[in-house]
Amino acid sequence: GQQVMQIPQYQHVQEGEDFTTYCNSSTTLSNIQWYKQRPGGHPVFLIQLVKSGEVKKQKRLTFQFGEAKKNSSLHITATQTTDVGTYFCAGRWGGKSTFGDGTTLTVKP
Amino acid sequence: DTAVSQTPKYLVTQMGNDKSIKCEQNLGHDTMYWYKQDSKKFLKIMFSYNNKELIINETVPNRFSPKSPDKAHLNLHINSLELGDSAVYFCASSPGGDNYGYTFGSGTRLTVV
Repeated sequence: GQQVMQIPQYQHVQEGEDFTTYCNSSTTLSNIQWYKQRPGGHPVFLIQLVKSGEVKKQKRLTFQFGEAKKNSSLHITATQTTDVGTYFCAGRWGGKSTFGDGTTLTVKP
Repeated sequence: DTAVSQTPKYLVTQMGNDKSIKCEQNLGHDTMYWYKQDSKKFLKIMFSYNNKELIINETVPNRFSPKSPDKAHLNLHINSLELGDSAVYFCASSPGGDNYGYTFGSGTRLTVV
């Protein structure tokens, strides 16, 4: 079945450092979505990427979709303590979304 | 106004019991889902309903039975609870189709003792 691999599983950074999480799919995706789950909370939809090579920005967050539509990344510039949480990608293929295992980000003030 | 609401928020129960979790969405979405999140935070799809019809049924023990009385509600009934069922269960909804994100409920933390 479709698999979406996400790395790293954990990332610890000092406040102000950058952070990147990567997702890779074994199949070409129709789109990829990104979610953030704060500690003790629920996943919240951040963004969707549809086009090959697409890049979208939300303030300090930059999302990229690979040219082959098999990989994606989320980059946070100058992390803040409010960025802590688990970031999930969800790759969509054949009418079904598969979530990556998530990257849990901790930020040391 | 809560968009996707789940009840109860916490559920502690003994092995062998039967329990239900309820979910309601007021977004007018056509598709609803049940996800299980284990202690490692992995999110796994269990079921998906579109307009009251089951469209995704992953490899889930048949002790788990979803029911959708109408497109705004998707309940989850679990029979003969086991220790391994302990997890957070999330309900979610979407308009359906490929190009919409999911709106998740706040989750139900189930602990089986």
